[in-house]
Amino acid sequence: QKEVEQDPGPLSVPEGAIVSLNCTYSNSAFQYFMWYRQYSRKGPELLMYTYSSGNKEDGRFTAQVDKSSKYISLFIRDSQPSDSATYLCAVGVDSSYKLIFGSGTRLLVRP
Amino acid sequence: NAGVTQTPKFRILKIGQSMTLQCAQDMNHNYMYWYRQDPGMGLKLIYYSVGAGITDKGEVPNGYNVSRSTTEDFPLRLELAAPSQTSVYFCASSTGLAENTDTQYFGPGTRLTVL
Repeated sequence: QKEVEQDPGPLSVPEGAIVSLNCTYSNSAFQYFMWYRQYSRKGPELLMYTYSSGNKEDGRFTAQVDKSSKYISLFIRDSQPSDSATYLCAVGVDSSYKLIFGSGTRLLVRP
Repeated sequence: NAGVTQTPKFRILKIGQSMTLQCAQDMNHNYMYWYRQDPGMGLKLIYYSVGAGITDKGEVPNGYNVSRSTTEDFPLRLELAAPSQTSVYFCASSTGLAENTDTQYFGPGTRLTVL
């Protein structure tokens, strides 16, 4: 079993839709949960991070962690074509040290 | 600050050749990392370093070597290139200091093809 599982997509939505991206993980020791956004032919950039359980909101983005289910989510409200990218979840015992990355979900927001 | 820089951007190697991928950061970060990303796959950690003179293996170290003689630079060496090493290579760095807020910053990547 992989430590982090993520649906590869692609996920295609119309502009303005609410997008839900998800990952599951297997190790209950993970305390830090990140979402990275990666545009085509670019390096990943940190979008959101959450420590332990709960929600975190930043503008149109909301990150949710359910440690009881080992399930993490990223919601994008009012999606824009500029949100079209691959979204990678990452988990770790530490906030940056030796993160485990999911395989990424490719998102396409149609104008 | 330039952040994390990587050279070259692209490279084609023949089987058995060697090369060094360069990575530099100007953020005075202690921790540095090398990942590879294969199509449709996540990032796999190759090697990492927690400071100058200290390196350790990640998940997929075979066929690679690293050194960390300065805080700024973390080159990745490929010896005897094989087609299985065709990938996009990302270097990243982080402070390694701040609890709860530390994060990895990534370079733009090097696309390597081994033929």
